[in-house]
Amino acid sequence: GQSLEQPSEVTAVEGAIVQINCTYQTSGFYGLSWYQQHDGGAPTFLSYNALDGLEETGRFSSFLSRSDSYGYLLLQELQMKDSASYFCALQNTNAGKSTFGDGTTLTVKP
Amino acid sequence: NAGVTQTPKFQVLKTGQSMTLQCAQDMNHEYMSWYRQDPGMGLRLIHYSVGAGITDQGEVPNGYNVSRSTTEDFPLRLLSAAPSQTSVYFCASKRLAESTDTQYFGPGTRLTVL
Repeated sequence: GQSLEQPSEVTAVEGAIVQINCTYQTSGFYGLSWYQQHDGGAPTFLSYNALDGLEETGRFSSFLSRSDSYGYLLLQELQMKDSASYFCALQNTNAGKSTFGDGTTLTVKP
Repeated sequence: NAGVTQTPKFQVLKTGQSMTLQCAQDMNHEYMSWYRQDPGMGLRLIHYSVGAGITDQGEVPNGYNVSRSTTEDFPLRLLSAAPSQTSVYFCASKRLAESTDTQYFGPGTRLTVL
């Protein structure tokens, strides 16, 4: 099976940079995704890494290291609206289905 | 495009009742899936489908049935509701050959079983 581990909570101040880590165990996968979910809302896709290295999308970047079974989401120039839960998810090699971590709740303080 | 739609938004059932949660997408996506999300937890895969007529079980399939007669629709049936099925249910879809594995989620159905 697959399992992912993320910190349950992270707190940062407005304008700062925060990194949310994700470690995983799997026998094989296509890539690692990140999703954002505001309270009561639907998850929305942020980023995907199929290969090792950094992917940048505006204020958000995601990193993957297959040799270390590790990835992270980097949020820069934090804004109050970034307060949300962030989930990492592995894309399984079996039919492309996904396994999600339990999520990290990010609180941005003024 | 409406994206992924789900009905109803809220539902209260009594133990033993059955019901169907509806999910539809208008993006012609091959892959559709159902997740449940319990408080403070991630999304757990219930069932998924890679195309019309093809369905398979996810991590937590017991107590749920699905069918996929069209590309657009993927209903989830609760056979005999139990309090343990109280949760938020999300439907999602994606294009199978896409390079970024982007899943599009519906707004969710909040289900309470008494």
